[in-house]
Amino acid sequence: AQTVTQSQPEMSVQEAETVTLSCTYDTSESDYYLFWYKQPPSRQMILVIRQEAYKQQNATENRFSVNFQKAAKSFSLKISDSQLGDAAMYFCAYVGTTGTYKYIFGTGTRLKVLA
Amino acid sequence: GAVVSQHPSWVICKSGTSVKIECRSLDFQATTMFWYRQFPKQSLMLMATSNEGSKATYEQGVEKDKFLINHASLTLSTLTVTSAHPEDSSFYICSARVGRAAQETQYFGPGTRLLVL
Repeated sequence: AQTVTQSQPEMSVQEAETVTLSCTYDTSESDYYLFWYKQPPSRQMILVIRQEAYKQQNATENRFSVNFQKAAKSFSLKISDSQLGDAAMYFCAYVGTTGTYKYIFGTGTRLKVLA
Repeated sequence: GAVVSQHPSWVICKSGTSVKIECRSLDFQATTMFWYRQFPKQSLMLMATSNEGSKATYEQGVEKDKFLINHASLTLSTLTVTSAHPEDSSFYICSARVGRAAQETQYFGPGTRLLVL
């Protein structure tokens, strides 16, 4: 069965600095998608970034980028120029392309941004 | 991005009553929607997969008679918590899947806070 592991329950970063959130996963599938979702205090889940496993190029969205290492099954999120509004829970998620398309979520990392 | 609405955002009810939560995809059609439950400071727990025009698929341990799911159209899925009890108090989140090739993504509703007294 597939699993997603986020080993950092909590991280802190100074405003304007860079922080990296870790995510590892386990799967026997060759084709899949990976996501980072943000959940601010409002609890609305917001898609931050997605990565197709068949693409070698790392996805980027403005200040957010990923380091996707397929062989190592690692999918970390880098947030550059951190802002106070980035403070939230961040969830890593995996979905395979065969079967039920159920997303598997990690346990989350709480990011604190210090002014 | 795609927008998913959820209604109500907040509901308080008495023990023994039923509560219906609606999940709508506003600007796209969703053949598949998902219902999650989230306890404080925890991750999302998948309750069931809702497919338009067919019966929902429930995760192990989720009572299908307690949590009734109906996916009557390509833009609407409902979750009814029947005979609610205080232990059903939680945060319920729905999501709608965009499953077209290379666009596989789930978009989430804002959630519903349920408090059963």
